[in-house]
Amino acid sequence: EIVMTQSPATLSVSPGERATLSCRASQSVNNNLAWYQQKPGQAPRLLMFGASTRATSIPARFSGSGSGTEFTFTISSLQSEDFAVYYCQQYNNWPYTFGQGTKLEIK
Amino acid sequence: DVQLLESGGGLVQPGGSLRLSCAASGFTFNNYAMSWVRQAPGKGLEWVSGVSSSGGSTDYADSVKGRFTISRDNSKNTLYLQVNSLRAEDTAIYYCAKHGGPYYYSFMDVWGQGTTVTVSS
Repeated sequence: EIVMTQSPATLSVSPGERATLSCRASQSVNNNLAWYQQKPGQAPRLLMFGASTRATSIPARFSGSGSGTEFTFTISSLQSEDFAVYYCQQYNNWPYTFGQGTKLEIK
Repeated sequence: DVQLLESGGGLVQPGGSLRLSCAASGFTFNNYAMSWVRQAPGKGLEWVSGVSSSGGSTDYADSVKGRFTISRDNSKNTLYLQVNSLRAEDTAIYYCAKHGGPYYYSFMDVWGQGTTVTVSS
């Protein structure tokens, strides 16, 4: 099973600032990596797939990069609605594992 | 509007069974793979099971293999998860999710709101 490790576990950032989240895979997942956002009491929402392709209707302030085992997710200028938990997930090898999540909180 | 609506959750005793359902609308159901993903209280996401668009291919997490069965009825636009021999550690919100294509080795682009399964005596 591929283990996905996200860092940091919690990130405190002020609105308007930049947030950078990391995700590392225990073995290569090529670019088969997605990012999801989850707010309290809500279902996850797809933000990014293929490591760097934004999903439908996702604003340009969200971006992703990386391939293989190292991935980065960036929000260029945080808005109030961006404070949530973010999960990475690989879909290269079954079982398609998630990271443990990064909680993005208001500083 | 693309929508997934889960049902069938509830409180069940250890060893019991439930059948979860997910009614899909707003897209051509038989063109897309579907999965179930669960989230234990206060925890992260765990991929439970996936089924291809035709229903001919399925996969399960080791934690549920032999106890859970995924299926779909394309004539009814509905996904199912039969959950048997339930354990306390199966307590979670169960989400159904649509994939971006006919196979489940892909991202999940639409999620339902979830149905809660609680296993307790």
